Amino acid sequence: GQSLEQPSEVTAVEGAIVQINCTYQTSGFYGLSWYQQHDGGAPTFLSYNALDGLEETGRFSSFLSRSDSYGYLLLQELQMKDSASYFCAVPNQAGTALIFGKGTTLSVSS
Amino acid sequence: DSGVTQTPKHLITATGQRVTLRCSPRSGDLSVYWYQQSLDQGLQFLIHYYNGEERAKGNILERFSAQQFPDLHSELNLSSLELGDSALYFCASSVTSRAGEKLFFGSGTQLSVL
Repeated sequence: GQSLEQPSEVTAVEGAIVQINCTYQTSGFYGLSWYQQHDGGAPTFLSYNALDGLEETGRFSSFLSRSDSYGYLLLQELQMKDSASYFCAVPNQAGTALIFGKGTTLSVSS
Repeated sequence: DSGVTQTPKHLITATGQRVTLRCSPRSGDLSVYWYQQSLDQGLQFLIHYYNGEERAKGNILERFSAQQFPDLHSELNLSSLELGDSALYFCASSVTSRAGEKLFFGSGTQLSVL
């Protein structure tokens, strides 16, 4: 099966940089995805890494190391609106469903 | 707005009852996924349909069933409801069934079983 580990909570102040780590175990690996979910809202896609390295999209970057079964989401120039839950996710072994971690709640304060 | 429509937004019912949740995927998307989100459980995958066919099953209880219709909308049926079934139920859609493909989530149905 698949398992994903990520911290349950992270706190930071506006303007800071925060890194949310994710380690995974899966039989077949297709890539690591990240989703953001504001309280009570729908999850929204942030990034997908199929290959090792860093992918940058504006203030957000995502990194993957397949040899370490590890990835992270890097959020820069934090804003209050970044307060949300962040989920890492990997496809199941058959590649037919996306399995999510339990999520990391990020709280940004002023 | 993701383009995925879920109805109803809220549902309050009693134990032992049966409910149906409905999902319309984005135009052109052939895959529909159902997820359950309880307070401390994250997003639990329930079931995936692609173009009318079941593609994958997750931790879906036998009391739950789903189907995808020819017009590609999907319904999740929950029966013999228990208090523990209270949760936020999301559907998501994608164009294909490829692993890792970006999912577009609906706004969810909040189910409260009293």
